[in-house]
Amino acid sequence: DQQVKQNSPSLSVQEGRISILNCDYTNSMFDYFLWYKKYPAEGPTFLISISSIKDKNEDGRFTVFLNKSAKHLSLHIVPSQPGDSAVYFCAARDYNFNKFYFGSGTKLNVKP
Amino acid sequence: DGGITQSPKYLFRKEGQNVTLSCEQNLNHDAMYWYRQDPGQGLRLIYYSQIVNDFQKGDIAEGYSVSREKKESFPLTVTSAQKNPTAFYLCASRGQGSNYGYTFGSGTRLTVV
Repeated sequence: DQQVKQNSPSLSVQEGRISILNCDYTNSMFDYFLWYKKYPAEGPTFLISISSIKDKNEDGRFTVFLNKSAKHLSLHIVPSQPGDSAVYFCAARDYNFNKFYFGSGTKLNVKP
Repeated sequence: DGGITQSPKYLFRKEGQNVTLSCEQNLNHDAMYWYRQDPGQGLRLIYYSQIVNDFQKGDIAEGYSVSREKKESFPLTVTSAQKNPTAFYLCASRGQGSNYGYTFGSGTRLTVV
């Protein structure tokens, strides 16, 4: 039973437009959320995070939004660039067990 | 430069053989983790260790074993009991109190031939 779900396996966006990647979770004990970016044959790298006490965190072109009542978070990339093409994983921390749970990833393709 | 190193990058195993994947970190992180990635699935936790000489099973530990004799090292053995071992394996570490989640290695692609 997946506690973190990314329902869109892929997303294609034109360069310069906004990319919106979505993530849903079921466990109300999750207190910290992260987004990772992964290129083929490489390990994921940390992108941006948000604490459950906030609803928005921004870092340059990347903004993460958290809607706790809906148990939903999203990653916005504006403007999208071809170098953003990668698989994006969302992850959530269960504070009680100090473990992170990952979604299945969304493959973003930014077309030039 | 501090980091986490996995070796080898590609590994081939014959059916019925055990194989060990290496994971070394020089970040002075206490916690280390092993994940498995399969197509269309998220990263699934195999084993994790919060401290030297201690480790816990994750969600899919069957057919795997680990050891944590040193803080820097957390090798994963894929045994012959693992029925579907072909996958991409990721090792990660995390510092105490870190809110940045994990630092990941570059992964090992294991293929059973």
